[in-house]
Amino acid sequence: NAGVTQTPKFQVLKTGQSMTLQCAQDMNHNSMYWYRQDPGMGLRLIYYSASEGTTDKGEVPNGYNVSRLNKREFSLRLESAAPSQTSVYFCASSKARTQETQYFGPGTRLLVL
Amino acid sequence: AQSVAQPEDQVNVAEGNPLTVKCTYSVSGNPYLFWYVQYPNRGLQFLLKYITGDNLVKGSYGFEAEFNKSQTSFHLKKPSALVSDSALYFCAVRDSRTGGFKTIFGAGTRLFVKA
Repeated sequence: NAGVTQTPKFQVLKTGQSMTLQCAQDMNHNSMYWYRQDPGMGLRLIYYSASEGTTDKGEVPNGYNVSRLNKREFSLRLESAAPSQTSVYFCASSKARTQETQYFGPGTRLLVL
Repeated sequence: AQSVAQPEDQVNVAEGNPLTVKCTYSVSGNPYLFWYVQYPNRGLQFLLKYITGDNLVKGSYGFEAEFNKSQTSFHLKKPSALVSDSALYFCAVRDSRTGGFKTIFGAGTRLFVKA
């Protein structure tokens, strides 16, 4: 089992460019999440998908969109990148119940110039 | 609203000594509490969690944490630190009543274990 995989590992964008971060899990988990990690701020939830076919906003959704493509895949899209979106992005998955542990991918480092 | 605080940015401890990484939380309902560890250039890894039951929770790599409801704390502990324990540690909380799937993470505490 690969667990949670993310692509790309690193990306440099210019302000205004768009891109999609890909995430896939092979653990048959129902719930998936996107976080961003910034120094001194821990992880902040951008969007989550409690189950296939549903998505909801987290703490910091502005500037992002998501798609739960199927049970395995959950993508994050930046339509018009801004320097404030420079961060490390983590995808995670868990079983459906709220007390379940989250399993994290290795992260995508994004630099917006 | 739920929140979590890790009051120390960094904890320094000598190898072989006990370590404590502090965490306090605030929720309106009963908390689900988690500790995760992050090694350089890696994603977060689960260490342990408290859902209900025994206040002392044992987890991976010899770590344990004690849930204290009156002090709203969930401190991470290990009796004897290893150099390999040096990493970034995150406390996280979900409100069982109102939090749904939203997990709130602390800012993280960097643990440095000196040989």
